[in-house]
Amino acid sequence: EAGVAQSPRYKIIEKRQSVAFWCNPISGHATLYWYQQILGQGPKLLIQFQNNGVVDDSQLPKDRFSAERLKGVDSTLKIQPAKLEDSAVYLCASSPQPGLAGSEYFGPGTRLTVT
Amino acid sequence: DQQVKQNSPSLSVQEGRISILNCDYTNSMFDYFLWYKKYPAEGPTFLISISSIKDKNEDGRFTVFLNKSAKHLSLHIVPSQPGDSAVYFCAASVNYGQNFVFGPGTRLSVLP
Repeated sequence: EAGVAQSPRYKIIEKRQSVAFWCNPISGHATLYWYQQILGQGPKLLIQFQNNGVVDDSQLPKDRFSAERLKGVDSTLKIQPAKLEDSAVYLCASSPQPGLAGSEYFGPGTRLTVT
Repeated sequence: DQQVKQNSPSLSVQEGRISILNCDYTNSMFDYFLWYKKYPAEGPTFLISISSIKDKNEDGRFTVFLNKSAKHLSLHIVPSQPGDSAVYFCAASVNYGQNFVFGPGTRLSVLP
């Protein structure tokens, strides 16, 4: 079974620029998550989708971050404009069973550096 | 305000010995705890979990202990193997939900 795919793997941008990340979850997984992991910290949930609907986006900085999952499959996370403190690894995860802790499969992440 | 703390950034253990990774939390509402393992350039993978109604859960070489009164949990790996070298994250949630709070991680190195 193919895992969660993310692209790009690395991205370097200047502050105030825009950037977008893409995630392709495991086939059949209805639940999709985006996490932000700043160096030296644990992952922090940004947004959770169930199919193409948002379940939880309470920790998403909505003034600059946006995410969508239009057809309930792939998802994109966008930052516009980027700030230095957005430098982090952005992890996408998917789960076949919403609400079942530990059932998530994580992708390899996209490492973003904002200069 | 860190709700989940892993005060040891790193730990080195000899192969075959026991590894003990510690985690402390401050939110008494947490009722479900998980450990994830992360290799470089990969996403975290789920390792083991424990509910607040238990004080121990075992899965092969991995055992998690929970002390609710002390708001402390620990992961024991026995015997440790070089392949266990990774970053270990402790995570906690309320109402068994999937909105976890992760600790900052402990890097375990198992020396051959």
